[in-house]
Amino acid sequence: EMQLLESGGGLVQPGGSLRLSCAASGFSFGTYAMTWARQAPGKGLEWVSAISNDNTYYADSVKGRFTISRDNSKNTLYVQMNNLRVEDTALYYCAKSQSFAATDGFDVWGQGTMVTVSS
Amino acid sequence: DIQMTQSPSSLSASIGDRVTITCRASQGISNYLAWYQQKPGKVPRLLIHAASTLKSGVPSRFSGSGSGTDFTLTISSLQPEDVATYYCQKYNSVPCTFGQGTKLEIK
Repeated sequence: EMQLLESGGGLVQPGGSLRLSCAASGFSFGTYAMTWARQAPGKGLEWVSAISNDNTYYADSVKGRFTISRDNSKNTLYVQMNNLRVEDTALYYCAKSQSFAATDGFDVWGQGTMVTVSS
Repeated sequence: DIQMTQSPSSLSASIGDRVTITCRASQGISNYLAWYQQKPGKVPRLLIHAASTLKSGVPSRFSGSGSGTDFTLTISSLQPEDVATYYCQKYNSVPCTFGQGTKLEIK
């Protein structure tokens, strides 16, 4: 069974940093592009960042503050989030692309990890 | 960036009704369109990709159509378990923007 398990969320002050991780199992992790999406409380889904094996992509709202990376030897996806803002408060999901392309539908989702930015 | 607009934002329908949700892209995206279902408190689930290709395991009462800028998700006969928020998403290029969601309830 394909699974994704996020970790690393928590409460952080504005301007602080967090690193989220997403451990993958049940599929050949290095073959697929991966994505981070988020959902603010009571709001809709927002695409945040994606990584293939060659390229990284970011939403304008996080560009310059978030860095996505992956370790295929550990089957793990990461996002380093710096200079966090109150508006970054959300449930952060990692999701698997259907293919090697970052531009594809997402067929496996983790349960999410909550990030709260507040003073 | 291309914007995705869903309509309606919410709707209420009866069991057995035919339900249609619309998604409009601000520019043409060919058929690079996915639909997701998110039940309350649950993780999003991919229902349809390439505008009309049903994901394996998704009930056949769900269907998708459209190309270019206008797309629809149809539920042919609404069931109680279909209560959810439905999102479209474009993926022709980054950012892979989601629509704002359509909340579907039972009347």
